Amino acid sequence: NAGVTQTPKFRILKIGQSMTLQCAQDMNHNYMYWYRQDPGMGLKLIYYSVGAGITDKGEVPNGYNVSRSTTEDFPLRLELAAPSQTSVYFCASSWDYNEQFFGPGTRLTVL
Amino acid sequence: KNEVEQSPQNLTAQEGEFITINCSYSVGISALHWLQQHPGGGIVSLFMLSSGKKKHGRLIATINIQEKHSSLHITASHPRDSAVYICAVHTGGFKTIFGAGTRLFVKA
Repeated sequence: NAGVTQTPKFRILKIGQSMTLQCAQDMNHNYMYWYRQDPGMGLKLIYYSVGAGITDKGEVPNGYNVSRSTTEDFPLRLELAAPSQTSVYFCASSWDYNEQFFGPGTRLTVL
Repeated sequence: KNEVEQSPQNLTAQEGEFITINCSYSVGISALHWLQQHPGGGIVSLFMLSSGKKKHGRLIATINIQEKHSSLHITASHPRDSAVYICAVHTGGFKTIFGAGTRLFVKA
């Protein structure tokens, strides 16, 4: 099993550009999450999904969008990138609401 | 005040020392999760616990629900234990609150 995979590992964007961060899991987990991690801060939930076709906002959803067309994939879309979106992004998945398995992260810089 | 507080923020230890990292929380929880984040950035689950104590190798995690406190202990620390240790509390539903992490450096 690959677990949770994320692409790309690193990306530099210019202000106003858009991009999609990819996340996939092969553990047949229903629950998937997107977090951002800023220096000195705990992870913050951006969006989550409890199953294919069902998504909802977390604590910091502004500037992001998600979709969940399959159980395996949960892409995160950044529209009109801003410097405040410079962060490390982690995707995670879980069987239930508790133990989560994390991807390797995507380091995004917006200049 | 943050709902999940970890202490210390940074910790430097000599190889072989016994290490304790603390986590205090102020909300009701269904479970508490200890995670390890290596310098490369990946996050790995260490323990999930809702009561008592768990042990895995040189790592021990304890939780006191009444006092809203958990500790992560590392016995006979080694340079490969150098990482950021993160406490996360599950409050029911989708919400997980993460601490800011404790950065541990173990010197050889």
